[in-house]
Amino acid sequence: EPEVTQTPSHQVTQMGQEVILRCVPISNHLYFYWYRQILGQKVEFLVSFYNNEISEKSEIFDDQFSVERPDGSNFTLKIRSTKLEDSAMYFCASSDLDPPGGYEQYFGPGTRLTVT
Amino acid sequence: AQKITQTQPGMFVQEKEAVTLDCTYDTSDPSYGLFWYKQPSSGEMIFLIYQGSYDQQNATEGRYSLNFQKARKSANLVISASQLGDSAMYFCAISLNDYKLSFGAGTTVTVRA
Repeated sequence: EPEVTQTPSHQVTQMGQEVILRCVPISNHLYFYWYRQILGQKVEFLVSFYNNEISEKSEIFDDQFSVERPDGSNFTLKIRSTKLEDSAMYFCASSDLDPPGGYEQYFGPGTRLTVT
Repeated sequence: AQKITQTQPGMFVQEKEAVTLDCTYDTSDPSYGLFWYKQPSSGEMIFLIYQGSYDQQNATEGRYSLNFQKARKSANLVISASQLGDSAMYFCAISLNDYKLSFGAGTTVTVRA
């Protein structure tokens, strides 16, 4: 069964460093998402991406964040200058969603980001 | 903005019994989708069940069923015949035409042998 993959599974970085989190969505999916979950809290939407551009972003997704689909398979989340409060689990998801809000978003296993 | 409320932070259930997890939502949009995800201690998000706002029947997937009461804006998850492997955090989520999922705070379920 096709699945969303994410690398690395765990990333430790120092405050102020740049990190790139990588995702390979399911191959025929058209919609891509990043979510984050701070330890013990709910999952929060960061950004959605469709047709090679951001379709929506949350207030969390400030200028320090960017997303890219550099080729036909990868979908990346970059944090330019990490802060302690960026420590969280980051989930990538993809879907072949038909409006309205119709179908499952397939989640990757997550990347645990620890900023020290 | 849409909102999901899960009022039960934690629940205990005896193995082989059924458990109901509450979820209420708030949206003025007539078109939406409701989802339940399971998050075991390993951290991954596992899709369980989906209910569309126009669906006439309650969704079922194996031991999972969704008790959808549109007028009350509730979408409770029922897990029947609980198993030890059902111990996890369960999240209710809503999606509108903007496609993103908005999650509730989650309910931790602990299944006792």
